[in-house]
Amino acid sequence: QKEVEQDPGPLSVPEGAIVSLNCTYSNSAFQYFMWYRQYSRKGPELLMYTYSSGNKEDGRFTAQVDKSSKYISLFIRDSQPSDSATYLCAMRRSNYGQNFVFGPGTRLSVLP
Amino acid sequence: GAGVSQSPSNKVTEKGKDVELRCDPISGHTALYWYRQSLGQGLEFLIYFQGNSAPDKSGLPSDRFSAERTGGSVSTLTIQRTQQEDSAVYLCASSLVGQSNYGYTFGSGTRLTVV
Repeated sequence: QKEVEQDPGPLSVPEGAIVSLNCTYSNSAFQYFMWYRQYSRKGPELLMYTYSSGNKEDGRFTAQVDKSSKYISLFIRDSQPSDSATYLCAMRRSNYGQNFVFGPGTRLSVLP
Repeated sequence: GAGVSQSPSNKVTEKGKDVELRCDPISGHTALYWYRQSLGQGLEFLIYFQGNSAPDKSGLPSDRFSAERTGGSVSTLTIQRTQQEDSAVYLCASSLVGQSNYGYTFGSGTRLTVV
C-alpha cells in the first residue's frame, strides 16, 4: 500500500461546478498537509497548506484535514477553465528538513 | 534569482550515456530538494541538501545517481550510464530554513528521455 493515495482522474467538470479532490494516507504521524497545482510542463506550485486537522479557506479554495480518518480534501468553488491542472497532495511529519510525500495527482479539466 | 531555474529544460540521451542536470535555487534558500516525476506517478524524493549538513541521499534509486551542491547554491544531479527507466521529469525545489514546513518552490523541471 502506498503511503499516500489519490485518484488520478481525469476528472472533468463544467465551468462553475464545485470540485472535490481527495487524498488518503496511511501514516498517522503526518501533520503538515499541502496541496499543489501543476500546469502542463510546469513545476508544482503551492496552493494551500494546513497543519493538523481542520479547515482552511483561501478565496475559492478550501482545504480540509481529517486526521482521524487519514483523509484530506481540497474543494474548489465556482471552478474556472484556468483551474484545469493536476492537483497533488503532499504531507509529512513534523521536523524541518524531512521531505514531503506526494500523492500521484488528480488531473482536473474544467470545461467552458 | 526570482525563481528556481533548471537546465536544460529537455534532454534526450542515448542509453548508457551520462547526463548532468542543473538547478539554480532561489537566492538565499538554504534547503534544496531533487524529485523525480514519472508519468502517472507521484513525485519521488531523491535527495535533500540543507546548508552545510550532510545531504539526505535516502531517495537515490541506485549508485548511478549522485548529486552535489557547490557553495550552498547551485546543485547538479548526475545520472551515469542512463537506462530507459530513468526517463522522467526531474524537479528541483528550494526553501528557506524555518519555512520548509510550508512547502517549497519548484522549478519547471528537466524532461529527460533516454532512447
